[in-house]
Amino acid sequence: DGGITQSPKYLFRKEGQNVTLSCEQNLNHDAMYWYRQDPGQGLRLIYYSQIVNDFQKGDIAEGYSVSREKKESFPLTVTSAQKNPTAFYLCASTTAVSTDTQYFGPGTRLTVL
Amino acid sequence: EDKVVQSPLSLVVHEGDTVTLNCSYEVTNFRSLLWYKQEKKAPTFLFMLTSSGIEKKSGRLSSILDKKELFSILNITATQTGDSAVYLCAVGNQGDKIIFGKGTRLHILP
Repeated sequence: DGGITQSPKYLFRKEGQNVTLSCEQNLNHDAMYWYRQDPGQGLRLIYYSQIVNDFQKGDIAEGYSVSREKKESFPLTVTSAQKNPTAFYLCASTTAVSTDTQYFGPGTRLTVL
Repeated sequence: EDKVVQSPLSLVVHEGDTVTLNCSYEVTNFRSLLWYKQEKKAPTFLFMLTSSGIEKKSGRLSSILDKKELFSILNITATQTGDSAVYLCAVGNQGDKIIFGKGTRLHILP
């Protein structure tokens, strides 16, 4: 089955710790995106990548980092510099041709204790 | 600054009613407008609109775009409890970014 997977589904972190959220896709999509969603809010773009070994900051990149070493994988690290990391994180991917129709993973809910 | 504004933010109706959700936008170099349905987790794609005045339909759902007035509506007729969800509107620009609205939370009462 083709799709996007995110892991873990739920993640708890103590303040001051870095954590990495996984996002993998087997759709052969070129572009991948990370969004953050807070209660009552829309999706806000953290980082995106159009091709391997290249990525751009979104609207709220501070306190986050990413890598794109493989086409299939786009992990997101939430660093201790992120002041309010508790949120629902969604990964998405698109083909280069139809960039706007995004396919989303199931999300990771991160809670900082 | 690019923005997408959805209204209402929440809506409660009875099963069988028709609802209209609104989305207005101010986005530089508009390319497309998208509607998503989000139930518990991942948003699922509903429609992509690029041309004014052309209605897209899928069952009881339909949507239309007005590029002159910079808005779109999503209509749901004969609503069912399974339509309860958050409906997200998003606009893509020529710079490969997609800007999301805050969503409309729709609750259908049986």
